[in-house]
Amino acid sequence: DTAVSQTPKYLVTQMGNDKSIKCEQNLGHDTMYWYKQDSKKFLKIMFSYNNKELIINETVPNRFSPKSPDKAHLNLHINSLELGDSAVYFCASSQDRGTGEAFFGQGTRLTVV
Amino acid sequence: DAKTTQPNSMESNEEEPVHLPCNHSTISGTDYIHWYRQLPSQGPEYVIHGLTSNVNNRMASLAIAEDRKSSTLILHRATLRDAAVYYCILKRNDYKLSFGAGTTVTVRA
Repeated sequence: DTAVSQTPKYLVTQMGNDKSIKCEQNLGHDTMYWYKQDSKKFLKIMFSYNNKELIINETVPNRFSPKSPDKAHLNLHINSLELGDSAVYFCASSQDRGTGEAFFGQGTRLTVV
Repeated sequence: DAKTTQPNSMESNEEEPVHLPCNHSTISGTDYIHWYRQLPSQGPEYVIHGLTSNVNNRMASLAIAEDRKSSTLILHRATLRDAAVYYCILKRNDYKLSFGAGTTVTVRA
């Protein structure tokens, strides 16, 4: 039973399109995250939600909008996709903000052509 | 974010121990030391964490210096499946995991 699952696993789309990536966790965690891993393999946090409330919003373009319909789901919607958005996007969840370990999904490889 | 420094890469032979160092001289009193690893084409995976005392779990051991300015992740018997990028992260009580470049571990058969 997958703890943190993301769909789709691969996404190839044209510049200018709008796309969404979905994430679900079945761990009962209160906090969920989106991370971006670029071609140089650096992992950077984008957003974090705690109990459906946005608590971390790093310097990410407004074209990226997270949505949390409930605390088990955190979706990422991207408008007007650009070539530079090509990356692997990881969803994660954790129980608390302090010591707790985070569980990551398998990633969504987004390629913008 | 408090910074950690790790070697870019390390090599090991299968079934030998691997000691991965991490320097974090600017660590604050409430920072936890977390280690994650990322296997090829997978998401990061939690390995271990600690505050002041050494910690052991089924995956690894974490040795923390008395002044907390450095730590070492120990994989007791490396297997080919341990080949990954290992990240040492200082975690504050603020929801955020900040990943650096990590150490790429190669295991030779």
